[in-house]
Parts: sequence; structure tokens; C-alpha cells
Amino acid sequence: EVKLLESGGGLEQPGGSLRLSCAASGFSFSRYAMSWVRQAPGKGLEWVSSISGSGGSIYYADSVKGRFTISRDNSENTVSLQMNSLRGEDTAVYYCAKGRLEAAVFVEFGMDVWGQGTTVTVPS
Amino acid sequence: QSALTQPASVSGPPGQSITISCSGTSSDVGGYYYVSWYQQHPGKAPKLIIYEVSNRPSGVSNRFSGSKSGNTASLTISGLQAEDEADYYCSSYTSSSTLLFGGGTKLTVL
Repeated sequence: EVKLLESGGGLEQPGGSLRLSCAASGFSFSRYAMSWVRQAPGKGLEWVSSISGSGGSIYYADSVKGRFTISRDNSENTVSLQMNSLRGEDTAVYYCAKGRLEAAVFVEFGMDVWGQGTTVTVPS
Repeated sequence: QSALTQPASVSGPPGQSITISCSGTSSDVGGYYYVSWYQQHPGKAPKLIIYEVSNRPSGVSNRFSGSKSGNTASLTISGLQAEDEADYYCSSYTSSSTLLFGGGTKLTVL
């Protein structure tokens, strides 16, 4: 069974840091791009960042560029999101998602597997 | 970059069809055939129901269909069922090599 399991969320003060992790299983992890997508309370989905299967191509939303860093460890089947300089507007459920198309460097072809999400709270 | 534009809500009785629009620009929806649609039930993770404008993943009901004309994509759900009540989001690849979501549409089955 293909699964994604996020961890690392919590309460952090403005200006602080958190590191989210996503453990993948059930598929050839290194062959798929991975993404982080967030959803603020009562709001819609917002794409945050994506990384290609090799880790050689990385993409960020303008709202997090320079503050967040995505990385992956293909030997451990994990993708991480290092979040620095946290702000109140970063408060959200953060989902890890798998790109649908094998060998694609981005997730424009759709994201077909999602984790259950991990909650990040930054008081404003 | 602003979110793609979707109606905040749509509704219909069981058995009817509804269409949700997703409007963008030539730099996103209009420029690429990389529009996806996601269904999200309350408290759950999103689920991919349409990719590349009009393709359904395996296991998704053929009552869901997608299309695109110019800068606007559309999701049609035919034969509405109670379990279709959910939030629906479109997304599109952009010329900036980013992904843009719509604001979401709440579907109510009357």
C-alpha cells in the first residue's frame, strides 16, 4: 500500500523554526517528485514547495522562498521541509503529496497520494 | 500570484449535474494542459479526481469529467450523489514553474 506519513508539526513562536518530515512507503520513492501543500484553518489549499526525484530540481512558492527549505533522503524514503523565520500566516495543516507521473521533475501532472497532514501553529 | 478563481459554492439535488469553473490566465490555465482537480471531504486529505484537464485516475467515478476552454477549466459532476458533497479545488502549472490552486468550491447536495 502506498502511504505518506507526516510528522514534526507543533506550536512555535514567530521567528522560530520547525522541521517537518514525511515518510513514504509502498512505491519507488526516488522516481517521483514530492511536494508540500498547506491549508490554513478554514482556507483553501496552497502549494508550498516541490522537489524532483533526484533532489536536483527544487521549487518554492514566493510566500516561503528564502525561509523554507525542502530536501529528500532517498536512502530513507523521506522528504523534509525546514521552516525558518516562521510567521503567523504559516499556521496551517501541512500535507506531503506524491507526484503522479514517474520521472517527472515537478508535480504538474497531478498529486495522487497525500498524507494525513501535520499541524503547524504560529501565534500571530 | 493570486489564486485561480472558483465559485465559492455550488449546489444541486441528487441525480442532477453541476459544473465548477476555474478561471486563470494565459500564464497558467490557458497556457498548459496541466490542470488538476481535487476533492476534499471535511477533515480529510485532498484526493486527485482529474489530471491533465480531463483524465481520471483509476478508481475515480466516470461521473467526474473535466474540460478546458481558453483560460477557464471546468469540472462537471453528473448524477450527483450525497457522497459528492465536499470541497473541490483546481490547480494549474504556471509559467513561473510553480503550482497554483483555486480558492475552492463547496458543493452541497440538496
